[in-house]
Amino acid sequence: DSGVTQTPKHLITATGQRVTLRCSPRSGDLSVYWYQQSLDQGLQFLIQYYNGEERAKGNILERFSAQQFPDLHSELNLSSLELGDSALYFCASSVALGRYTEAFFGQGTRLTVV
Amino acid sequence: ELKVEQNPLFLSMQEGKNYTIYCNYSTTSDRLYWYRQDPGKSLESLFVLLSNGAVKQEGRLMASLDTKARLSTLHITAAVHDLSATYFCAVDDVSDSGNQFYFGTGTSLTVIP
Repeated sequence: DSGVTQTPKHLITATGQRVTLRCSPRSGDLSVYWYQQSLDQGLQFLIQYYNGEERAKGNILERFSAQQFPDLHSELNLSSLELGDSALYFCASSVALGRYTEAFFGQGTRLTVV
Repeated sequence: ELKVEQNPLFLSMQEGKNYTIYCNYSTTSDRLYWYRQDPGKSLESLFVLLSNGAVKQEGRLMASLDTKARLSTLHITAAVHDLSATYFCAVDDVSDSGNQFYFGTGTSLTVIP
């Protein structure tokens, strides 16, 4: 168990809908990352938050947004869903250990858009 | 944009055989990470390599890093079925605006009895 909790584990929704994925990082970790893993795109970085502030942005669609709350949990909001958004969404939290960063991944949320 | 490439993408090998997975990257970073992912599961950290020439071993897996060639290898010795999984390498790009992990495409390893 990595200590990173994601809910829900599975989500099935229709095209055009909006969903919210939730992530609780490991206790004490200030940094949260969101990744999308699909069969054709591999593991794609979406966005990083650090202590409530957006730090880095990857290939995140405008239909997607995220935030990190004062208690450090994070939510990823996906709207106007399309079939192609079906994927496994991972959250990770990290801790800086001197020369490197150790990232811990949650179990993922499998989103199926029908 | 930073690129991380792995090969092969798919690897089917018999138990007891040896094989190497290759990871090429385009950054000058001297930090290279290896992860394992079981089907439908999360990513588990295997190794962190922090300098040129670094070598780390855990059981039948050994990872090495050549920063001059921008190449890391993951060598599997005498494969067993339990090693069947997808293996990812990753580099992190640290800047004032944060750090991103860039992952390779992954190598799906199947060990056949």
